[in-house]
Amino acid sequence: NAGVTQTPKFQVLKTGQSMTLQCAQDMNHNSMYWYRQDPGMGLRLIYYSASEGTTDKGEVPNGYNVSRLNKREFSLRLESAAPSQTSVYFCASTPLISGTGGYEQYFGPGTRLTVT
Amino acid sequence: SQKIEQNSEALNIQEGKTATLTCNYTNYSPAYLQWYRQDPGRGPVFLLLIRENEKEKRKERLKVTFDTTLKQSLFHITASQPADSATYLCALVFYNQGGKLIFGQGTELSVKP
Repeated sequence: NAGVTQTPKFQVLKTGQSMTLQCAQDMNHNSMYWYRQDPGMGLRLIYYSASEGTTDKGEVPNGYNVSRLNKREFSLRLESAAPSQTSVYFCASTPLISGTGGYEQYFGPGTRLTVT
Repeated sequence: SQKIEQNSEALNIQEGKTATLTCNYTNYSPAYLQWYRQDPGRGPVFLLLIRENEKEKRKERLKVTFDTTLKQSLFHITASQPADSATYLCALVFYNQGGKLIFGQGTELSVKP
């Protein structure tokens, strides 16, 4: 099992450019999430998908769109990148029912995005 | 809105001592609270969860307490080792909203030999 994979690992964009961050999980998890992490701010939820076919906004959704392509894949799109979107982006997933019953999340390695 | 806060300053302790990290929250009554470890340049890794009806949970050298009256969780690492140096994050679980989490900002722990 690869767990949660993210591509690319690093990206530099110019202001106004668009890009899609890809995330896939091979654990048959139902729910998937996108976070951004900034120094001193912790992890903040951008969007999540509780199940295939549904998506919902998190704390900081402005400037982003998401697509739950199928059960495995959940992508995050920046339509017009801004310097304020410079951050580290993490994708995560969780099973609907887990051994602990407590919705623990499994994280990918992150994408480090710089917008100049 | 819900708010979750952890020790804002980094915690430096000597090897062998017990590290205690604090997580306080407001405006929410979580059914679960989770703790994660994050190493530099990597994604968080789940460590422990504790339910609202559990006062204490242990896993090897880790212990978590949960006081729903004080709205506080304490995370202890006993007999700490330099390999325990990392950032530790607590998170509230919204199980009725697709299991989404709200994270604290994390506490950086440094264990000196």
